[in-house]
Amino acid sequence: DTEVTQTPKHLVMGMTNKKSLKCEQHMGHRAMYWYKQKAKKPPELMFVYSYEKLSINESVPSRFSPECPNSSLLNLHLHALQPEDSALYLCASSHVGRERANYGYTFGSGTRLTVV
Amino acid sequence: AQSVTQLGSHVSVSEGALVLLRCNYSSSVPPYLFWYVQYPNQGLQLLLKYTTGATLVKGINGFEAEFKKSETSFHLTKPSAHMSDAAEYFCAVNIGGAQKLVFGQGTRLTINP
Repeated sequence: DTEVTQTPKHLVMGMTNKKSLKCEQHMGHRAMYWYKQKAKKPPELMFVYSYEKLSINESVPSRFSPECPNSSLLNLHLHALQPEDSALYLCASSHVGRERANYGYTFGSGTRLTVV
Repeated sequence: AQSVTQLGSHVSVSEGALVLLRCNYSSSVPPYLFWYVQYPNQGLQLLLKYTTGATLVKGINGFEAEFKKSETSFHLTKPSAHMSDAAEYFCAVNIGGAQKLVFGQGTRLTINP
């Protein structure tokens, strides 16, 4: 299995809702990532998990809460979002360590989030 | 700090013509460089990567890129464009010792029939 699976593919939520994005991989990767991509812009890193522990938080607002319950799963919990948070949220995975990570970062197809 | 700059936010070529997408990097250490393609409403697909070794890297779909240290460049080429190549292309670099991929601003490739 060489895929990163993200669910749901599309999500519409109100500003008072709580929702979660899910990401799953079975490639034995122990590093997982959340990226945010606005329209016509490059992906921007949000969080990095290594061995199920948060290693990088790119100063993301607390209304985004990541969770890595095991080595195959990565969640992004959403609460009290703003319309400007509407974007494509991409999950990725890789091996841990710069040398091994650069064998390849595998991306999912993303969740298209719309906040109304 | 490491970064990449993609020259040209939009490139348009005729079907069958040469595709050249430009990427320059800045890095104080040997970089790891990547090219990704993104089709509309989809995620990112790895085209090719340079880590160490051979400076001419061949990827999928007939694309290749050459790492030129003297020019700090990693330009993406394809000898003959196909309509299916129309997409957004991102150059990316690994940041330092951390596991961070940083992307260039992207180049939208349009293929004219």
